[in-house]
Amino acid sequence: KAGVTQTPRYLIKTRGQQVTLSCSPISGHRSVSWYQQTPGQGLQFLFEYFSETQRNKGNFPGRFSGRQFSNSRSEMNVSTLELGDSALYLCASSFAGGGYGYTFGSGTRLTVV
Amino acid sequence: GDSVTQMEGPVTLSEEAFLTINCTYTATGYPSLFWYVQYPGEGLQLLLKATKADDKGSNKGFEATYRKETTSFHLEKGSVQVSDSAVYFCALSASSNAGGTSYGKLTFGQGTILTVHP
Repeated sequence: KAGVTQTPRYLIKTRGQQVTLSCSPISGHRSVSWYQQTPGQGLQFLFEYFSETQRNKGNFPGRFSGRQFSNSRSEMNVSTLELGDSALYLCASSFAGGGYGYTFGSGTRLTVV
Repeated sequence: GDSVTQMEGPVTLSEEAFLTINCTYTATGYPSLFWYVQYPGEGLQLLLKATKADDKGSNKGFEATYRKETTSFHLEKGSVQVSDSAVYFCALSASSNAGGTSYGKLTFGQGTILTVHP
């Protein structure tokens, strides 16, 4: 069974630009969550989508947004990039969250220059 | 709010040594608990989980027991290998009755770097 697929693996963007990251969950999983991983802050929760609805959101500015499509694929967008947005962005999918557990993708490494 | 505290690393061991990585948590109700492992340049892989008190999760020689009385979920392995070198994360998922703030969210510890030498 295919795992969680994130594209692209690596991105280099310039300050002020915007970027869109993609995540394809495991077939049958309707919950998709996004995390930002940095050496200083560790793993921080961005938001979660379930059946095209955002159910939960972390403490990130409005420049960070996302959406989920009817096939459960999800995209994350960051507008007006800042140097501090450089991070590994991880997507996780789950059948229903909680004790079902979450399967992570390999991540997208975003570098803002 | 919910939080997870892991023992500080890095941890350096010789091959075949015993491993313990401590993890304690703060959460209301009965969260689900997880250990994830991250190898260089990769995402997180689920190592094991436990969903209720006294449950023991195990996988690939690793074990952890959900201790409600001490709010702990310590990771152990009897004999580590060089291939176990990685970063280990303890995490919790709040109980379902925690409401909207729990959906899809894992709360992670800061991670423990493990290096195993031959």
